[in-house]
Amino acid sequence: DTAVSQTPKYLVTQMGNDKSIKCEQNLGHDTMYWYKQDSKKFLKIMFSYNNKELIINETVPNRFSPKSPDKAHLNLHINSLELGDSAVYFCASSQGTSNSPLHFGNGTRLTVT
Amino acid sequence: GEDVEQSLFLSVREGDSSVINCTYTDSSSTYLYWYKQEPGAGLQLLTYIFSNMDMKQDQRLTVLLNKKDKHLSLRIADTQTGDSAIYFCAGRSGGSYIPTFGRGTSLIVHP
Repeated sequence: DTAVSQTPKYLVTQMGNDKSIKCEQNLGHDTMYWYKQDSKKFLKIMFSYNNKELIINETVPNRFSPKSPDKAHLNLHINSLELGDSAVYFCASSQGTSNSPLHFGNGTRLTVT
Repeated sequence: GEDVEQSLFLSVREGDSSVINCTYTDSSSTYLYWYKQEPGAGLQLLTYIFSNMDMKQDQRLTVLLNKKDKHLSLRIADTQTGDSAIYFCAGRSGGSYIPTFGRGTSLIVHP
């Protein structure tokens, strides 16, 4: 299936731990994104990569570090997890940076206890 | 930057039409999108419209764009219980390639 896939779907961890979320797309897109969706469903852009290069880095704590080993992958590593990091994280991709709509993964629900 | 506003809730009876409204601020917005999010799932692209269009129809979905008022609407004809979801409006202005999303409208369809 052509899609944007994220793993894991659920992640439950304790404060202070370090965790990673993986994202892969097989749509042949060259731009990938990470969004955070809070409990009120608000979607906030975190990062965007175009051809493995960081394009957008919104005001996200530097505990969050994205890594793009190639155009098809954009992983998110989070250090020293805090309670406020609990949210659903969505990966998305698009072709180019202007007109093409975003295609989203199914999300990773992160719960920090 | 772009701001996108939507009402938070809409409740309709099965079989009726639903109209979800959205306003945006950036008059240079070139592309406007509608996404659907079902519980526990990601955002699914429903349709999008270019700023040089006034209307786009796709089966039960009709998108209307009023550029003068910066108003976008999504009409769902013959709404079904399977249409119950959160619907997000998103705009992409010429100055930024990152789409800005509204807060989503929860559509509740009851028998």
